[in-house]
Amino acid sequence: GEDVEQSLFLSVREGDSSVINCTYTDSSSTYLYWYKQEPGAGLQLLTYIFSNMDMKQDQRLTVLLNKKDKHLSLRIADTQTGDSAIYFCAENDYKLSFGAGTTVTVRA
Amino acid sequence: EPEVTQTPSHQVTQMGQEVILRCVPISNHLYFYWYRQILGQKVEFLVSFYNNEISEKSEIFDDQFSVERPDGSNFTLKIRSTKLEDSAMYFCASSKDRGELFFGEGSRLTVL
Repeated sequence: GEDVEQSLFLSVREGDSSVINCTYTDSSSTYLYWYKQEPGAGLQLLTYIFSNMDMKQDQRLTVLLNKKDKHLSLRIADTQTGDSAIYFCAENDYKLSFGAGTTVTVRA
Repeated sequence: EPEVTQTPSHQVTQMGQEVILRCVPISNHLYFYWYRQILGQKVEFLVSFYNNEISEKSEIFDDQFSVERPDGSNFTLKIRSTKLEDSAMYFCASSKDRGELFFGEGSRLTVL
């Protein structure tokens, strides 16, 4: 079965970089995703990476994938207060399996 | 930009009542999904639907649940006799292929 693990909380100062880590178990996943959920809102796809890539950069977001260790990370550069949210890592074998989410709190 | 829309945004119901949650997926998408998120917990897969039939379902998706695509645009989730533990946010999603899923804003179900 699939199992996606994330740390539950991250506190970061505004302007610093945030790094959210995730480990997964299903080595057959084709895509790995990062979703953002703001309070009371739905799931917003932030970015995703194909399993044959090591890194993907999209503006302030950098995704790193270590397939050997089944480790995925999301780096947010220059973290802003609007980045405060829950971030979910997910893997797919056509249905998504989500981690429990990392609550990121940005402090001034 | 096309989006997945869900109604109602919030529904309050009595235990034992039937509930139908509605979703309009993105128009050229072929795969449809329901997920749920109990307050404070992770997002859980319920069911996927393709070519007018269920392609996969989780152990949560028991006989009390059913899905239907009654016309070319709607995708519904029915809970036959709601229980207190069905209280959750229910998310609909759709995808063109088995890649990127687009989620709706969710329907919050409160069972009293």
